[in-house]
Amino acid sequence: GEDVEQSLFLSVREGDSSVINCTYTDSSSTYLYWYKQEPGAGLQLLTYIFSNMDMKQDQRLTVLLNKKDKHLSLRIADTQTGDSAIYFCAESRSGGSYIPTFGRGTSLIVHP
Amino acid sequence: DAGVIQSPRHEVTEMGQEVTLRCKPISGHNSLFWYRQTMMRGLELLIYFNNNVPIDDSGMPEDRFSAKMPNASFSTLKIQPSEPRDSAVYFCASSLMGGNQPQHFGDGTRLSIL
Repeated sequence: GEDVEQSLFLSVREGDSSVINCTYTDSSSTYLYWYKQEPGAGLQLLTYIFSNMDMKQDQRLTVLLNKKDKHLSLRIADTQTGDSAIYFCAESRSGGSYIPTFGRGTSLIVHP
Repeated sequence: DAGVIQSPRHEVTEMGQEVTLRCKPISGHNSLFWYRQTMMRGLELLIYFNNNVPIDDSGMPEDRFSAKMPNASFSTLKIQPSEPRDSAVYFCASSLMGGNQPQHFGDGTRLSIL
């Protein structure tokens, strides 16, 4: 199976909260990241969390980490049409020279 | 500050032709990565350099692919000869080396091989 797994699509209504989920397999993961890719552009780092943290909040974004279950989530509050993009989960570890392993990405579709 | 700059943004060529993709990393970054993105396979790491030296090229699909980094401010990814299955978006990214140093991506080159 994949090292980092995400569902491929998520559709939400504007103004609702979005929750994008990710699972990973390596318990030695050190850093976990969320990247955003808008059409025609490269990946942009949104936020990251260190493996000894449970939660990180940054304005409308909340990252939750359940290390026991190897589960990471990204919550976007008050989702806007400009949030429509592909969101990538990634993990890195010191044994892998900190080179991130990316999931396949979740396409977030925000409709009015 | 300028981000990672890739050229060309789009390339359309016939199979069998040589293709050269170019990348200028962010000044001061000492790691550079080449990725390929397709619907079927997602984002694949092809090769990465530290201090201009190739460290891991295990992701390079075939001998038709080669990458160079002659200096800290320039890298190329070459495909010769190109094939239709090489059609993809190719990204270059750069970062500082080690620890939690996020990768900064260019906007990619969309390559179509006819």
